[in-house]
Amino acid sequence: ELKVEQNPLFLSMQEGKNYTIYCNYSTTSDRLYWYRQDPGKSLESLFVLLSNGAVKQEGRLMASLDTKARLSTLHITAAVHDLSATYFCAGRNYGGSQGNLIFGKGTKLSVKP
Amino acid sequence: EAQVTQNPRYLITVTGKKLTVTCSQNMNHEYMSWYRQDPGLGLRQIYYSMNVEVTDKGDVPEGYKVSRKEKRNFPLILESPSPNQTSLYFCASSSGGPDTQYFGPGTRLTVL
Repeated sequence: ELKVEQNPLFLSMQEGKNYTIYCNYSTTSDRLYWYRQDPGKSLESLFVLLSNGAVKQEGRLMASLDTKARLSTLHITAAVHDLSATYFCAGRNYGGSQGNLIFGKGTKLSVKP
Repeated sequence: EAQVTQNPRYLITVTGKKLTVTCSQNMNHEYMSWYRQDPGLGLRQIYYSMNVEVTDKGDVPEGYKVSRKEKRNFPLILESPSPNQTSLYFCASSSGGPDTQYFGPGTRLTVL
């Protein structure tokens, strides 16, 4: 069964710096998702990565997928305070039904001035 | 406005008293799903539905029931709630499979 591990779980950054959140998964997953959750709010879908080498970018966030390494990364460029949130990755459980998603525990990002 | 609505938003109840949390979407999405969020555990999928009359278990289905009789609604039923079901619950929907899900605002449930 698919297991998804994120690290770090907590990340405190200074504005203007770059950093990467890592999402490792244990078995084959045919797609990888990233979500954002603002404090006290619901979740928002950020990226869907469908194939090896896929790269998606929106603003200061860029997500990529390496299926051979079973690794997805969420790279933050020149962080700003508005990016403070918890970020989750999730994989589709390839051995199960198409609708079964397994989430990582989330990375709580805090961007300080 | 495209949205997923959940009711109630907050609920405090007692052990054993049956309850239903409703979820409705107005985007004609085929896929709907329920998740629970607990501190330190992230999100865990309870049940999902690929389409009307098609439901399947997620990772933590014990103690929950669902039904999908019509496309827009996907209620979550707790027939005999217990304190370990105290959690924050999210409903989500998307077109086709679970890509690009739209999440409801959440329901905070406390079972005493």
